[in-house]
Amino acid sequence: RKEVEQDPGPFNVPEGATVAFNCTYSNSASQSFFWYRQDCRKEPKLLMSVYSSGNEDGRFTAQLNRASQYISLLIRDSKLSDSATYLCVVNIGDSNYQLIWGAGTKLIIKP
Amino acid sequence: DAGITQSPRHKVTETGTPVTLRCHQTENHRYMYWYRQDPGHGLRLIHYSYGVKDTDKGEVSDGYSVSRSKTEDFLLTLESATSSQTSVYFCAIRSEGAVEPQHFGDGTRLSIL
Repeated sequence: RKEVEQDPGPFNVPEGATVAFNCTYSNSASQSFFWYRQDCRKEPKLLMSVYSSGNEDGRFTAQLNRASQYISLLIRDSKLSDSATYLCVVNIGDSNYQLIWGAGTKLIIKP
Repeated sequence: DAGITQSPRHKVTETGTPVTLRCHQTENHRYMYWYRQDPGHGLRLIHYSYGVKDTDKGEVSDGYSVSRSKTEDFLLTLESATSSQTSVYFCAIRSEGAVEPQHFGDGTRLSIL
């Protein structure tokens, strides 16, 4: 089992819809969590951290479920510009090199 | 945009040749990272640096070496390139107090024939 798993997709979603995807992690000692987005053939860009109580940034909501060991990203009122691959990242330790990256979920927003 | 650049952006070379990729930052960050990205895999850490001349191995360091003689430059060298090192390479920087990389370079697409 991979340490961090994501459904590769693609998720094909009409513009304006709400979409959510999850990322599961295997290490129960994982301490911090992040979402990045990556446009095709571009570099990853930090989207948001995921806090224990859940957090929101505009149309984006991130949540953590420690009991079931997954994080989620919800996008409301999706825009064409949201089309990208979303990468989940889990910090499994207290050292800065112990980040485990998921392979990403591809999202396609259709007009 | 954050001041982090990679060079070259694209390179094609032959098996057995040495290759050096350069990462240059203008942010004066202490922490710098080299990752590779392959289809079906998450980013994997090759090497990282926590200061001038301070470097350490990551998850997939075999066949790679790094050097950091100045804060702004972090070099990745493939000592004798192999086809398995064909990949997209990203450099990243992180600020003090953070866990996650804040900014990535544009990437280098490296093909080893």
